[in-house]
Amino acid sequence: EVQLVESGGGLVQPGGSLRLSCVVSGFTFSSHWMSWVRQAPGKGLEWVANIKQDGSEKYYVDSVKGRFTISRDNAKNSLYLQVNSLRAEDTAVYYCARGARYGEYWGRGTLVTVSS
Amino acid sequence: EIVMTQSPATLSVSPGERATLSCRASQSVSSNLVWYQQKLGQAPRLLIYGASTRATGIPARFSGSGSGTEFTLTISSLQSEDFAVYYCQQYNYWPPWTFGQGTKVEIK
Repeated sequence: EVQLVESGGGLVQPGGSLRLSCVVSGFTFSSHWMSWVRQAPGKGLEWVANIKQDGSEKYYVDSVKGRFTISRDNAKNSLYLQVNSLRAEDTAVYYCARGARYGEYWGRGTLVTVSS
Repeated sequence: EIVMTQSPATLSVSPGERATLSCRASQSVSSNLVWYQQKLGQAPRLLIYGASTRATGIPARFSGSGSGTEFTLTISSLQSEDFAVYYCQQYNYWPPWTFGQGTKVEIK
């Protein structure tokens, strides 16, 4: 069974940082692109970033470039999102998803709340 | 960037009835379109990819059609578990992934 489990969210002040993690099981992690998608409270879905199997290609939505960094550790079946310089508008549930072009499988998400 | 527009925003349907949801792209995305279902408090679930191919485990009452700029998701006979928000997303031009704003299917 394919499983993706996010963690690392929480309440953080504006300007703060967090490291989000996603641990996967049930498939060969190193064979798949992985992505992060977020959803602000009561809003729609917004793609954030994705990363190639070997980490050699990474893409970001313009609004997070220079602030967020996607990475992966294939030995640990883990995907990460380092989120820095957080703003109120970054408040959202952050989902990890398998796939380069769309989300084939999704985790349940981790909530990031940016507030003073 | 491709803009995806879904209609209607809310669709009120009685159980057992057919639901038809629309998604329009601001320019052609060929058949590179997916549909997701999201229930309250849950992650999105892939329903349809390639505009018309059901994902693994998706019931046959869900069907997708269209190409170019106009797409449709049809739920042939709504079950109680189908009341949810549905999103379309194009992947002809990526990154970024671009989503529609969603259609909420509610009980009439």
